[in-house]
Amino acid sequence: KQEVTQIPAALSVPEGENLVLNCSFTDSAIYNLQWFRQDPGKGLTSLLLIQSSQREQTSGRLNASLDKSSGRSTLYIAASQPGDSATYLCAVFKAAGNKLTFGGGTRVLVKP
Amino acid sequence: DTGVSQDPRHKITKRGQNVTFRCDPISEHNRLYWYRQTLGQGPEFLTYFQNEAQLEKSRLLSNRFSAERPKGSFSTLEIQRTEQGDSAMYLCASSPGGGTEAFFGQGTRLTVV
Repeated sequence: KQEVTQIPAALSVPEGENLVLNCSFTDSAIYNLQWFRQDPGKGLTSLLLIQSSQREQTSGRLNASLDKSSGRSTLYIAASQPGDSATYLCAVFKAAGNKLTFGGGTRVLVKP
Repeated sequence: DTGVSQDPRHKITKRGQNVTFRCDPISEHNRLYWYRQTLGQGPEFLTYFQNEAQLEKSRLLSNRFSAERPKGSFSTLEIQRTEQGDSAMYLCASSPGGGTEAFFGQGTRLTVV
């Protein structure tokens, strides 16, 4: 059974600092990995999708890396802003399971 | 708006009542997923559809839960005889196919009192 873990559960940084969010998964036989952002009481917004054959994916200040063999992904957010405050969730898609399995999320607070 | 749409956004119901939620996926997305999320946790898979066919159901989906996707378009999730433990955010997502990027709606927040 695939298990996805995100540590730490919460993170607080001063504005301007780079954010590093971690995601680990137990079964390396994944099809892809997706990072999401969730604001309080809202749905999920897709940030980045990394296919299993890719090592990283970039979008603006966001960069996500994937090391499938070690079961890890990292989301980097450069020069954090108060507007980056949210919960960040990673999820893996295993083709055989046909569903996304989520981690518990990391709640981020960027202090002005 | 061409995103995933869920209705209602909030629902408060008394224990024992039936509730139904609706999800309109992105047009031409043949995959539709339902997830449940409780406070402070990641979403948990409930069920998914490939067009109108319901292909997988989680053990979380007790016999009080039923989901449909007639004609492979919108989907409904019904909970019968609601219990306080059903209080959660119900999220719907769609994707063009298996393993492609999933897009989520804003969710339906259910409170059972």
